[in-house]
Amino acid sequence: NAGVTQTPKFQVLKTGQSMTLQCAQDMNHNSMYWYRQDPGMGLRLIYYSASEGTTDKGEVPNGYNVSRLNKREFSLRLESAAPSQTSVYFCASGEYSNQPQHFGDGTRLSIL
Amino acid sequence: LAKTTQPISMDSYEGQEVNITCSHNNIATNDYITWYQQFPSQGPRFIIQGYKTKVTNEVASLFIPADRKSSTLSLPRVSLSDTAVYYCRVQGNTGFQKLVFGTGTRLLVSP
Repeated sequence: NAGVTQTPKFQVLKTGQSMTLQCAQDMNHNSMYWYRQDPGMGLRLIYYSASEGTTDKGEVPNGYNVSRLNKREFSLRLESAAPSQTSVYFCASGEYSNQPQHFGDGTRLSIL
Repeated sequence: LAKTTQPISMDSYEGQEVNITCSHNNIATNDYITWYQQFPSQGPRFIIQGYKTKVTNEVASLFIPADRKSSTLSLPRVSLSDTAVYYCRVQGNTGFQKLVFGTGTRLLVSP
């Protein structure tokens, strides 16, 4: 019963470094999502994938890229990290966009 | 963006019933209303989802009037462990606008 698994759980980067956040789900869900949550704030959608083979921008896509590798995996890449991208990143999955989403435990990312 | 409005914070005491109301005036025909709970340092957890009328599960009840422009999450007999942020979402299947989160309601349960 792993659900949604995110790796790594913590990471510290220097400005300008690149990094890929990994997400995998074992519930055979069609849709997957990446959110960021800044301290004391709600979640903001970065990118989503409504189905395998498709990806779309969310509210705050600038500075990020995503890859839906297969039905299970959806990765988020920061090409050139900036301090403004310091945040907690959550991956989620759901059967369809209008169905409940299941979230991972998050990746805490600090960019110095 | 699809907009939901809910109180920023609420206070309650152990054993009381808590009702959190959310307004979503621009809900569309195919949209569902979904509530999530989030504890500090954790991802949101699905509580309940409904389309119309009333839905009940082992954790909560969700009341949706006929016009569907609002919904009320009811938590019976809250305990200290129910202290969390509760998010109301209108989830649809057309565009990212129906996937956004609002600011949530911070519920504090006291002894």
